[in-house]
Amino acid sequence: GAVVSQHPSWVICKSGTSVKIECRSLDFQATTMFWYRQFPKQSLMLMATSNEGSKATYEQGVEKDKFLINHASLTLSTLTVTSAHPEDSSFYICSAPREAQNTEAFFGQGTRLTVV
Amino acid sequence: GQNIDQPTEMTATEGAIVQINCTYQTSGFNGLFWYQQHAGEAPTFLSYNVLDGLEEKGRFSSFLSRSKGYSYLLLKELQMKDSASYLCAVKDSNYQLIWGAGTKLIIKP
Repeated sequence: GAVVSQHPSWVICKSGTSVKIECRSLDFQATTMFWYRQFPKQSLMLMATSNEGSKATYEQGVEKDKFLINHASLTLSTLTVTSAHPEDSSFYICSAPREAQNTEAFFGQGTRLTVV
Repeated sequence: GQNIDQPTEMTATEGAIVQINCTYQTSGFNGLFWYQQHAGEAPTFLSYNVLDGLEEKGRFSSFLSRSKGYSYLLLKELQMKDSASYLCAVKDSNYQLIWGAGTKLIIKP
């Protein structure tokens, strides 16, 4: 069964509104979670590393004020896309290692965001 | 910079064998992963190599040569459901996953 749950699986929102995506580790504690974005026919691109109890680490070129990350507990990280625009439409995926530096990254189901 | 190269697209026939290559240049190495991703879905883990050699898991095998910065994923007895993208990823010295662009595999009857 799934060990990382992501919700919602898809969302359509109006331009200018905000959308929150949740990522939960189901049977383990995740001090670190990763948020990726994937445009059609492209590979995963790491947006940010979410750290429980501290600020997220953003990759170069990712606007931290636009993509708000909160990792308030050991099992939940959220990504909020603020003031969404059509160019933010993409497939957003979270992942979490069961342990730090673990061999395998477990992925959520992904969220298809469409901004109209 | 860090770089992972794999072919963009490959085509194979149902029942045949296909090999997907991956070469990498990264700052440090802490393992190489292969993931399968169907369109619109999240990646699913296929294999992990950290030592040189071949790892076999059913119809799928993965090979690693650290000295050559090279890996391949071998798929045998291809089935139509194997049509997907296959992603090669390397964990660098900071244990961060560096992703290849993926290889789209098309299986024809």
